[in-house]
Amino acid sequence: NAGVTQTPKFRILKIGQSMTLQCTQDMNHNYMYWYRQDPGMGLKLIYYSVGAGITDKGEVPNGYNVSRSTTEDFPLRLELAAPSQTSVYFCASSYSQPGQRETQYFGPGTRLLVL
Amino acid sequence: GQSLEQPSEVTAVEGAIVQINCTYQTSGFYGLSWYQQHDGGAPTFLSYNALDGLEETGRFSSFLSRSDSYGYLLLQELQMKDSASYFCATRVLTGGGNKLTFGTGTQLKVEL
Repeated sequence: NAGVTQTPKFRILKIGQSMTLQCTQDMNHNYMYWYRQDPGMGLKLIYYSVGAGITDKGEVPNGYNVSRSTTEDFPLRLELAAPSQTSVYFCASSYSQPGQRETQYFGPGTRLLVL
Repeated sequence: GQSLEQPSEVTAVEGAIVQINCTYQTSGFYGLSWYQQHDGGAPTFLSYNALDGLEETGRFSSFLSRSDSYGYLLLQELQMKDSASYFCATRVLTGGGNKLTFGTGTQLKVEL
C-alpha cells in the first residue's frame, strides 16, 4: 500500500493563478480531509468528505473547492491564488465508524508559495 | 466553537518522563487524539481516548477526563528522536459524520 499520496510536493504560484492539489489513498478509507498548516501553527481543516459524492466545509474553506467523485481521490482546487494561501497542505484519510477508534493517515504534504 | 490549549514548548532530558497537557472547549465532543510531527514531516497518529482513563501504547500513554475537559500525553524514557511537535485534537460529531480540530501544538525538545 502506498497509503496517502499527494502531488505536487512543492509549487510556486503567482497571485491570481489557479491550481489543483491532488490526493489519492489506496486504503479504501471512507473519510478524506484537507488541512493547511502555517509555520509554527496547528492544522486547520479546509474541507472533508465522508464518502464519494459527499463533501463539507471545515474551519477555513474560503478560496478553496473540493470534489470527491471516487473513494480514492480528493483533489483540492485553488481558483484565485492569494499570498494568504501560502502554506503547507496536508491530505489525510481514515476509516471511520460510529463508536470505533479512528486513525487519520496523512500524506507527505504540498508546500505552496504564492507570490 | 472549538478551542484547545496546550503549552507551546517543553524541554526535557533524555531518559526522563514528560507530560504534555491539553484542555479543550468543544461542543459535540467525541474523543481526544494525539499526533506527532517531526520538522518537515507529516503528522502521525499516537493515541486516542474516547473514555475517561489511561491508554498505554509502549512508551506513550494518554489520559482523558471528560468532566474536566482535560487530557494529557505522557512520554516515558525519552529519546532524542522524540524531539518533535505534539498536537492534541478533539474529535467532534458533525451532522454528516465527524472531524478533528487540532490544537496549535507543543514543541518538545529532548536534550542530553
